[in-house]
Amino acid sequence: EDQVTQSPEALRLQEGESSSLNCSYTVSGLRGLFWYRQDPGKGPEFLFTLYSAGEEKEKERLKATLTKKESFLHITAPKPEDSATYLCAVQDEFSGGYNKLIFGAGTRLAVHP
Amino acid sequence: DGGITQSPKYLFRKEGQNVTLSCEQNLNHDAMYWYRQDPGQGLRLIYYSQIVNDFQKGDIAEGYSVSREKKESFPLTVTSAQKNPTAFYLCASSTRTDFGEKLFFGSGTQLSVL
Repeated sequence: EDQVTQSPEALRLQEGESSSLNCSYTVSGLRGLFWYRQDPGKGPEFLFTLYSAGEEKEKERLKATLTKKESFLHITAPKPEDSATYLCAVQDEFSGGYNKLIFGAGTRLAVHP
Repeated sequence: DGGITQSPKYLFRKEGQNVTLSCEQNLNHDAMYWYRQDPGQGLRLIYYSQIVNDFQKGDIAEGYSVSREKKESFPLTVTSAQKNPTAFYLCASSTRTDFGEKLFFGSGTQLSVL
């Protein structure tokens, strides 16, 4: 059964304190791994898609990496505006022909000045 | 600006009542989806539609119904058969359905039971 586990559930950082969020997954075959950012009371906003082990993508202070079993979202020198819940999702290549994503429960990040 | 509009932002349901959540998109996307989000859990798929006049059940379709009469619109009805409807409901769309295309989400509807 496809499964996505994110850790930690919650993370508190001081402004400028770099850290990483983890997304561990189990799928028959990975078609894609997605990272989203969600602000309270709003819908998720797309950040990255990773397709194969070894792939990396960057956007401002965020960098996503992928291995065969997990993905990391590295946050370098975070600012308070980076505070949000970060969601990880995977698509199984055997998902039956539609864009079915399996989501993790998310990591709630709080960055304090 | 293109996007997905969900309404209302907040909705209250009385026992035995059916309520309908609206979702409209002007992105010209073929595929649309409804997800349910509960605290501490990942998003779960309720229904999805790949084309007008066609839709399929997701993982937790019991107690819900949908229609897709227009490409732009995909309303979700929470029926009285859904015994635990309190959740944050998210509508999404994508251009394709057979590959890892990213989903575009609306801003959500918080449904609560009176």
